[in-house]
Amino acid sequence: NAGVTQTPKFQVLKTGQSMTLQCAQDMNHEYMSWYRQDPGMGLRLIHYSVGAGITDQGEVPNGYNVSRSTTEDFPLRLLSAAPSQTSVYFCASSQGLGVEKLFFGSGTQLSVL
Amino acid sequence: DAKTTQPTSMDCAEGRAANLPCNHSTISGNEYVYWYRQIHSQGPQYIIHGLKNNETNEMASLIITEDRKSSTLILPHATLRDTAVYYCIVRVSERSYGQNFVFGPGTRLSVLP
Repeated sequence: NAGVTQTPKFQVLKTGQSMTLQCAQDMNHEYMSWYRQDPGMGLRLIHYSVGAGITDQGEVPNGYNVSRSTTEDFPLRLLSAAPSQTSVYFCASSQGLGVEKLFFGSGTQLSVL
Repeated sequence: DAKTTQPTSMDCAEGRAANLPCNHSTISGNEYVYWYRQIHSQGPQYIIHGLKNNETNEMASLIITEDRKSSTLILPHATLRDTAVYYCIVRVSERSYGQNFVFGPGTRLSVLP
């Protein structure tokens, strides 16, 4: 059982470039979310989804877009990368509302030059 | 969500019990205490959660004081693989996902040989 899979593991971008961080889960979880982790800041919620076709903003959504066309996939798009988006990104999923065990992916380390 | 306070770092000898404290003096009656941990370069991992009764699973035990203002996560026989950052989180179980888990700086536990 693969759980939550994130790709790529590492990425270097130049300022202004765009890219998509991929996240897929094979547990049929309703809820998926994206966090970023910066030194000394803990994890901060970017966007989340409570089901296919439903997304909403978290604490730090600016500069990021998401979509949820299937239950399994929840990609995070950076339309015009900025150095402030240099961070480690984690995708997480859980079974549904009220079920609190979050499963996290292994992370994507992104550097924007 | 109630604010939590954890020590910045702790050391524990391998094979001994690791006791990680968490203060949450403003916790409400319907708020749960959750523990996650993050091993270096990996995504956070769920450990345990509880409301008022002590809880135990295959990973750890959670002891919540009678007034619920503090709790202790116990790793009964710490190993080198338990070296990680441990996060104590307090939140209502059934609240909207828009107000999500708040991962603070946590406690960095070092298990020493």
